[in-house]
Amino acid sequence: DAGVTQSPTHLIKTRGQHVTLRCSPISGHKSVSWYQQVLGQGPQFIFQYYEKEERGRGNFPDRFSARQFPNYSSELNVNALLLGDSALYLCASSLSSGDTDTQYFGPGTRLTVL
Amino acid sequence: AQRVTQPEKLLSVFKGAPVELKCNYSYSGSPELFWYVQYSRQRLQLLLRHISRESIKGFTADLNKGETSFHLKKPFAQEEDSAMYYCALRSNAGNMLTFGGGTRLMVKP
Repeated sequence: DAGVTQSPTHLIKTRGQHVTLRCSPISGHKSVSWYQQVLGQGPQFIFQYYEKEERGRGNFPDRFSARQFPNYSSELNVNALLLGDSALYLCASSLSSGDTDTQYFGPGTRLTVL
Repeated sequence: AQRVTQPEKLLSVFKGAPVELKCNYSYSGSPELFWYVQYSRQRLQLLLRHISRESIKGFTADLNKGETSFHLKKPFAQEEDSAMYYCALRSNAGNMLTFGGGTRLMVKP
């Protein structure tokens, strides 16, 4: 098993554009969470999805949205990009949304907004 | 609101010296605490969790509810321990992790 995979690895966008980031969880995992990691800071929770439903949302504006597909993969969408959206976006998968499940992280997608 | 604080951005020690990476948290309920590690060019991975009370790669961490701390310790640092360490808290209201800002550990030969 390759673990959690994310695509693309790197992405460069300009202000005002839209971006879609993709995540494939570990086989058998049904929950996906998204985190934003700004340079020099720890990851910050954005969303959690389980069985295609949103189970949690962090303190992010409505420009951020996500969805989960029947195969449990997930997309994170960010509209009207701002310079401050430049960050490493991490996806993590777990067996369920329960509070006993370990989260396994992907390598991240590095987004640069110019 | 829950919060995790790692007061040291950088900790530099010599090989064989003891290591303590500090983590303090604020949370009104009964949290679950974790340490995650990120080695160079690798993904973030779980090092240990307080609930399992195990020692991984010689590291231990004890949850001190009175001092709201979860410091990571190792008696003898090794060069391969050089990495970025993140303390994280999970509330009892779901699987959302709140991370601290991280501490970079450098173990010098």
